[in-house]
Amino acid sequence: EDKVVQSPLSLVVHEGDTVTLNCSYEVTNFRSLLWYKQEKKAPTFLFMLTSSGIEKKSGRLSSILDKKELSSILNITATQTGDSAIYLCAVIMEYGNKLVFGAGTILRVKS
Amino acid sequence: NAGVTQTPKFQVLKTGQSMTLQCAQDMNHNSMYWYRQDPGMGLRLIYYSASEGTTDKGEVPNGYNVSRLNKREFSLRLESAAPSQTSVYFCASSEAQGQGLAYEQYFGPGTRLTVT
Repeated sequence: EDKVVQSPLSLVVHEGDTVTLNCSYEVTNFRSLLWYKQEKKAPTFLFMLTSSGIEKKSGRLSSILDKKELSSILNITATQTGDSAIYLCAVIMEYGNKLVFGAGTILRVKS
Repeated sequence: NAGVTQTPKFQVLKTGQSMTLQCAQDMNHNSMYWYRQDPGMGLRLIYYSASEGTTDKGEVPNGYNVSRLNKREFSLRLESAAPSQTSVYFCASSEAQGQGLAYEQYFGPGTRLTVT
């Protein structure tokens, strides 16, 4: 059974802290891994990672994929209250059209 | 550019009632998806449509039916609602996947459904 596991399930940090969110997967025929941020409504796309070891960066957020370890991390530096959200990890398989999502990490940034 | 739109935003049903959730996208995407999101369980795929004219079951299809009306629209029907179907429902769309291609999915704002 294809599985995506995120950790931690939730965490609370203070503004300015750096956080690392983890995503591990066990799927057949891995193609790509995606990160989404979900605030009050729809998930919004952050990154797509297909190749191992290549960091993707957007402002204070960055992510990297390790295909040997079957995992990815999402880093957020200098956190702000606006970073409070659920962060979702999802995997696309090589064949077919489906995404398999992890349960998400709930991040709360306190001022 | 509206992206992915869903109606209604909220709905309350009694057990046994039926309803259809509507979804439309204006990005000319080939693939469309219906998910449900429950606390602690992430997003689970109910049904998807890889292209106009095709539909396939996802992880949790029981109790639901879908129709890909045309390239833009993909509806989800609950024939006889049950309390276990209380959830937030998201529609999404993407370029065609598969055969070495992978594209991100764009999500609608969601429908919060309560079945009493």
